[in-house]
Amino acid sequence: GAVVSQHPSRVICKSGTSVKIECRSLDFQATTMFWYRQFPKQSLMLMATSNEGSKATYEQGVEKDKFLINHASLTLSTLTVTSAHPEDSSFYICSAPTTGGNEQFFGPGTRLTVL
Amino acid sequence: DAKTTQPPSMDCAEGRAANLPCNHSTISGNEYVYWYRQIHSQGPQYIIHGLKNNETNEMASLIITEDRKSSTLILPHATLRDTAVYYCIVRAMEYGNKLVFGAGTILRVKS
Repeated sequence: GAVVSQHPSRVICKSGTSVKIECRSLDFQATTMFWYRQFPKQSLMLMATSNEGSKATYEQGVEKDKFLINHASLTLSTLTVTSAHPEDSSFYICSAPTTGGNEQFFGPGTRLTVL
Repeated sequence: DAKTTQPPSMDCAEGRAANLPCNHSTISGNEYVYWYRQIHSQGPQYIIHGLKNNETNEMASLIITEDRKSSTLILPHATLRDTAVYYCIVRAMEYGNKLVFGAGTILRVKS
């Protein structure tokens, strides 16, 4: 199946700093990618839809100024957590649909810990 | 909001078939049933999807009732590595349509 990668896999940062997470579709192009957040023992919660060449679409309750999304190319979307705080500590996962939309492949996730 | 209902947890003996049910009574005519699973601290893994016919691949079988209001994912010979959270999701098959995850079913395969 198609491969989606994320970098970094794990990051620890101090409160107040910004953290950038990359999501890449390695063997296919994706004009749309999705960003999810998952807290311990909870399900995945969709944060936003990343659109290549246009603004991201955020789910209700997600602060667009705090979670900056840039879909720079057909294979790369980035999520920047600005001024991170301990409550932003979570598992961040991206996904990308294949061209036909039949399947959606997920990245391995990024574990963010804010001290 | 998730449009599916699944039992919170299930146990299965290693080597036996695991049958995971899912209710989706409000499914629309153009919506497919998708199954994903998530092993601890990893991204979700696609398993299978279907519209109205039963489907089978190398991982599992998907049985959808005739009225499409429920389905069952079958892992024919569960192994310890199948222990994971299994998510049943309904979604129209259009590029860019998002997947909305419910709580899923925690499947524990025991030796």
